[in-house]
Amino acid sequence: DTAVSQTPKYLVTQMGNDKSIKCEQNLGHDTMYWYKQDSKKFLKIMFSYNNKELIINETVPNRFSPKSPDKAHLNLHINSLELGDSAVYFCASSQEVTTKETQYFGPGTRLLVL
Amino acid sequence: GDSVTQMEGPVTLSEEAFLTINCTYTATGYPSLFWYVQYPGEGLQLLLKATKADDKGSNKGFEATYRKETTSFHLEKGSVQVSDSAVYFCALGGGGSNYKLTFGKGTLLTVNP
Repeated sequence: DTAVSQTPKYLVTQMGNDKSIKCEQNLGHDTMYWYKQDSKKFLKIMFSYNNKELIINETVPNRFSPKSPDKAHLNLHINSLELGDSAVYFCASSQEVTTKETQYFGPGTRLLVL
Repeated sequence: GDSVTQMEGPVTLSEEAFLTINCTYTATGYPSLFWYVQYPGEGLQLLLKATKADDKGSNKGFEATYRKETTSFHLEKGSVQVSDSAVYFCALGGGGSNYKLTFGKGTLLTVNP
């Protein structure tokens, strides 16, 4: 059983399009995250949700909108895609909201904007 | 704010060599410290963690000791294998920000047969 899963694994699209990435965790965790990893492997937190409530919005453009329909799901919708959005996006989850807890990561979604 | 400084890579070693990847941090409060590993084409996974000063985390032959006096959490392995080739991230949680994990920039390790 995959603990944190993401779909799709690869996403190739044109500039200006709108796309969504889905994330699901079956660990029963309360907190979920989205991270962006650039081409140099640098990881940047984008959002975190605890029990469907937004906790962190780390100065991400408004074109990015997370949605958490329930504790097990955190989706990421991106409007008007730009070249600079090309990256690997990771979903993660943890038992509690404190970052003293271990985070469990999904396999990543590799987004390429042409 | 919290920060993590990690040894810059890439690091290339021969199989069975000794590995050290340095990690130092600045933080307020009493953070937990982590090493995450990212194998090629995969997501990050926890390698080991330590939650208080002088704790030693260990897993798969890797070790790191939480040193408050030197604000360090260096990763070591006595004998690396080709399968250890990956990117290693040092991270800090529960410091000044209880809600944001602070990552180092990652160190790419390549182990040659």
